[in-house]
Amino acid sequence: EVQLLESGGGLVQPGGSLRLSCAASGFAFSNYAMSWVRQAPGKGLEWVSAISGNGEKTFHAVSVKGRFTISRDNSKNTLYLQMNSLRAEDTALYYCANLGSFGRGDYWGQGTLVTVSS
Amino acid sequence: DVHLTQSPSSLSASVGDRVTITCRASQTVSTYLNWFQHKSGKAPELLIYAASTLQSGVPSRFSGSGSGTDFTLTISSLQPEDSATYYCQHTYGAPPLTFGGGTKVEIK
Repeated sequence: EVQLLESGGGLVQPGGSLRLSCAASGFAFSNYAMSWVRQAPGKGLEWVSAISGNGEKTFHAVSVKGRFTISRDNSKNTLYLQMNSLRAEDTALYYCANLGSFGRGDYWGQGTLVTVSS
Repeated sequence: DVHLTQSPSSLSASVGDRVTITCRASQTVSTYLNWFQHKSGKAPELLIYAASTLQSGVPSRFSGSGSGTDFTLTISSLQPEDSATYYCQHTYGAPPLTFGGGTKVEIK
């Protein structure tokens, strides 16, 4: 059974940092590009970041570029999102998914909630 | 970057109705267009990939069509459990892998 389990969310002050993790199981993790997607309260889905299967290529949305860094450890079947200089507008439910260029996104986690507030 | 425009942004229909949602891309995405169903508090679910291929396990009342810049998601006979928000998303070429703005479907 395929599972993606996000963790690391929580309450953080503006300007603070968080590191999200996504533990994968049940599929050949290293064969898939992966993405982080978020949904802010009352808003739609927003693609945030993506990484190639071997980790060599990374991409970030303009809204997070320079503040967020996506990475992966294929030996641990885990995807990460390092979030720095957090802003109130980063408050959202963050999902990991097997989304990449020309991909499908048929595997999603249940999400981890990030709240940026003083 | 590719921009995806969905319409309508919301709709209300009765059980058994045929529902159509459109997604227009600002430039061609070939057939690299996915459709997702998202219910509040749950993970998004892939319905259609490659514009018209039904994901395994998804009811056959869902169908997708289109290529290039114009795409359609159709629910042939709306069911109560179809109440959700629907998103198109492209995966053509390098990211950003944009989502459409979403269409909220309500049951009358």
